[in-house]
Amino acid sequence: QKEVEQDPGPLSVPEGAIVSLNCTYSNSAFQYFMWYRQYSRKGPELLMYTYSSGNKEDGRFTAQVDKSSKYISLFIRDSQPSDSATYLCAMSGDNYGQNFVFGPGTRLSVLP
Amino acid sequence: KAGVTQTPRYLIKTRGQQVTLSCSPISGHRSVSWYQQTPGQGLQFLFEYFSETQRNKGNFPGRFSGRQFSNSRSEMNVSTLELGDSALYLCASSLGTENTEAFFGQGTRLTVV
Repeated sequence: QKEVEQDPGPLSVPEGAIVSLNCTYSNSAFQYFMWYRQYSRKGPELLMYTYSSGNKEDGRFTAQVDKSSKYISLFIRDSQPSDSATYLCAMSGDNYGQNFVFGPGTRLSVLP
Repeated sequence: KAGVTQTPRYLIKTRGQQVTLSCSPISGHRSVSWYQQTPGQGLQFLFEYFSETQRNKGNFPGRFSGRQFSNSRSEMNVSTLELGDSALYLCASSLGTENTEAFFGQGTRLTVV
């Protein structure tokens, strides 16, 4: 079993839909959780950064962390064709280090 | 403010050669991490440097090495290249203090033939 699991998709939704992306993990030491968006042939772009359990909202994006279930989610409201990309979850248990463990990514297509 | 800069963007090398990749972090950031991204294995952590010292290391062979300079710029070296080293190599920059975000560069795409 991989340390971080993520449905690879592809996930296709119509423009304006609410998108739900999820990751599960096995290491209970993880306490920092991130979501990155990666367009083809580009580097990952940080979308959300959360510490421990709870919710965080930023514009159309909401990140949720449930440490008791080892489950994290990213919701995208009013999805746009420009949101079409691969979404990567990443996590770490290290207070200072940047040695993240990434999920394999979910490919999202938002259709106009 | 300038982002993370990686050079070169593309490289083609022959098996057995060595290669050096460069990463300039965001101004003021002292931590640089390196990752390898392949279709089969996804993003995998190579190592992290903070204030010129290797702070964390992933599970890669000794052919992969790095260093960081006093201006926080970092280089990654791969010796005795193998076909399987073909990948997108990404570096991430952060302040390196507790609970801080990491920002990625555009990557260097290495092809080994």
